[in-house]
Amino acid sequence: NAGVMQNPRHLVRRRGQEARLRCSPMKGHSHVYWYRQLPEEGLKFMVYLQKENIIDESGMPKERFSAEFPKEGPSILRIQQVVRGDSAAYFCASSVWEVMNTEAFFGQGTRLTVV
Amino acid sequence: GENVEQHPSTLSVQEGDSAVIKCTYSDSASNYFPWYKQELGKRPQLIIDIRSNVGEKKDQRIAVTLNKTAKHFSLHITETQPEDSAVYFCAANLGANNLFFGTGTRLTVIP
Repeated sequence: NAGVMQNPRHLVRRRGQEARLRCSPMKGHSHVYWYRQLPEEGLKFMVYLQKENIIDESGMPKERFSAEFPKEGPSILRIQQVVRGDSAAYFCASSVWEVMNTEAFFGQGTRLTVV
Repeated sequence: GENVEQHPSTLSVQEGDSAVIKCTYSDSASNYFPWYKQELGKRPQLIIDIRSNVGEKKDQRIAVTLNKTAKHFSLHITETQPEDSAVYFCAANLGANNLFFGTGTRLTVIP
């Protein structure tokens, strides 16, 4: 089992461009979570998805951010028209069951830099 | 939503001493409290967790205590070693599906 795979590891975008971050959960995991980590700060919950469903997006900014977890393929976090303040590390985590009943495993993260 | 506060933000201890990190949470319905360790440039990894039906859990040099009445929980690391140096995050669940994290404690173990 390769673990939670995120790509790219590093992403540089100019202001106004789109950023697409991919997350492949561990095999057998159907619960995916995205977190944002600003430098020297904690992990901030963004969105929780199951296959083809967004369960909780209460932590997602209302504009420019979207997430999906299609039936086939990785989960995608999309940031449109990026701004400097979007620069951060974005981590995804996956779990077999609900997070309170099983461990959530994190990916290596994608470090987004907006120039 | 859940609010998790963590203290201290930085902690330096001599090798062999103990380290204690404390967290408080706001939602009395929270019942799952994991701790994650994140080494520089790496992913957070679960090191220990506790559920609300117990007050203490221990795994070798690491222990976690929970006081549900006061809504706080703590991580204790004994006989610290240089490889314990990392950022530690506490978390609490909101419902079955969401984890809310504290802001982290940067632990430095001085050889």
